[in-house]
Amino acid sequence: DQQVKQNSPSLSVQEGRISILNCDYTNSMFDYFLWYKKYPAEGPTFLISISSIKDKNEDGRFTVFLNKSAKHLSLHIVPSQPGDSAVYFCAALGGGSNYKLTFGKGTLLTVNP
Amino acid sequence: KAGVTQTPRYLIKTRGQQVTLSCSPISGHRSVSWYQQTPGQGLQFLFEYFSETQRNKGNFPGRFSGRQFSNSRSEMNVSTLELGDSALYLCASSLDSGTQYFGPGTRLLVL
Repeated sequence: DQQVKQNSPSLSVQEGRISILNCDYTNSMFDYFLWYKKYPAEGPTFLISISSIKDKNEDGRFTVFLNKSAKHLSLHIVPSQPGDSAVYFCAALGGGSNYKLTFGKGTLLTVNP
Repeated sequence: KAGVTQTPRYLIKTRGQQVTLSCSPISGHRSVSWYQQTPGQGLQFLFEYFSETQRNKGNFPGRFSGRQFSNSRSEMNVSTLELGDSALYLCASSLDSGTQYFGPGTRLLVL
């Protein structure tokens, strides 16, 4: 049973435009959400996180939105840059364990110059 | 502050052998978690250690084991390797719970 879902395996956007990556979860016990960026054969790099007591967190070009009632979160990247091209993973903590990250399958973002 | 380091970066083994992977966490981090990444299954949690104790374990067979030392460094061992164990093995560290920071991974190929 996949508790964290990223339904779009890939997304392509033009440089300078907004990238919106989506993530849905099923476990209402999750209380902390993270986004990671990953290049092939490297470890994931932490981007931004949000606690379930908030609905928005912003860090530079990256903003994460959380809609608890819909069990949905999204990552907005504005403006998108070619260097943002990577696989983005949504992950969740909680749900009975604060020590185990549950990951989505990832979305491959391609930013075209 | 230095990041999470993992050794070796690449490893080739044959079926039936065993392997030990090493992870050094960020200084001051006492929690170390291990994950397996494969193309089909994505990132799967193996286990987590805190202060030399395993706090949480994923759904992997007993061939996968780990330990943590008093300096928070951790090792992961896989015995009786199978072809399906070929994967990128990732280590992550954190202060306790919360944000986990990943190392570069060890790419294991089982022939």
